[in-house]
Amino acid sequence: KAGVTQTPRYLIKTRGQQVTLSCSPISGHRSVSWYQQTPGQGLQFLFEYFSETQRNKGNFPGRFSGRQFSNSRSEMNVSTLELGDSALYLCASSFSVAYEQYFGPGTRLTVT
Amino acid sequence: EDQVTQSPEALRLQEGESSSLNCSYTVSGLRGLFWYRQDPGKGPEFLFTLYSAGEEKEKERLKATLTKKESFLHITAPKPEDSATYLCAVQASPDDYKLSFGAGTTVTVRA
Repeated sequence: KAGVTQTPRYLIKTRGQQVTLSCSPISGHRSVSWYQQTPGQGLQFLFEYFSETQRNKGNFPGRFSGRQFSNSRSEMNVSTLELGDSALYLCASSFSVAYEQYFGPGTRLTVT
Repeated sequence: EDQVTQSPEALRLQEGESSSLNCSYTVSGLRGLFWYRQDPGKGPEFLFTLYSAGEEKEKERLKATLTKKESFLHITAPKPEDSATYLCAVQASPDDYKLSFGAGTTVTVRA
């Protein structure tokens, strides 16, 4: 079974720009979560989608948004990039709540 | 707010030297506790899920246990390939779908 895939793997953007990251979950998984990982803050929850509905959102500004499509694929968008947005963005998929989440390899975003 | 604290921050072991990692948590109703392994530059790899106090899970040289306040990850006779950062995460009930992670324990096993 193919794992969670994320594209692109690496991205370099300039302050003020916007970026869209993509995630394809494991086949059959309908829940997709996004996390930000930085050396200082560790892994922090961004949001979770199930059947195209956002069910939970972390403490991030409105510049961070996401969506899920009918095939469970998900995208997250960050607008007006700031230097502090440089991080590894991880997507995880799960069959349902309380089941283990499987992570993708992440997208390394660098904002200059 | 959910709190997860892992100790120690770093652990250096000699090959074959068994040890334990600690994960203490404060959560209003535990739905599940998860252990992950993360190698540098990669996404976390799922290891175990524990749901209730007294539960134990094993996989090769790793064994995870759970009490009402903490979880332990025991590494028996580690090998260099067990070197990684081990992350603990909790999921609260009933409507909280997020995982709250600890900062991790970085384990280095020397041959």
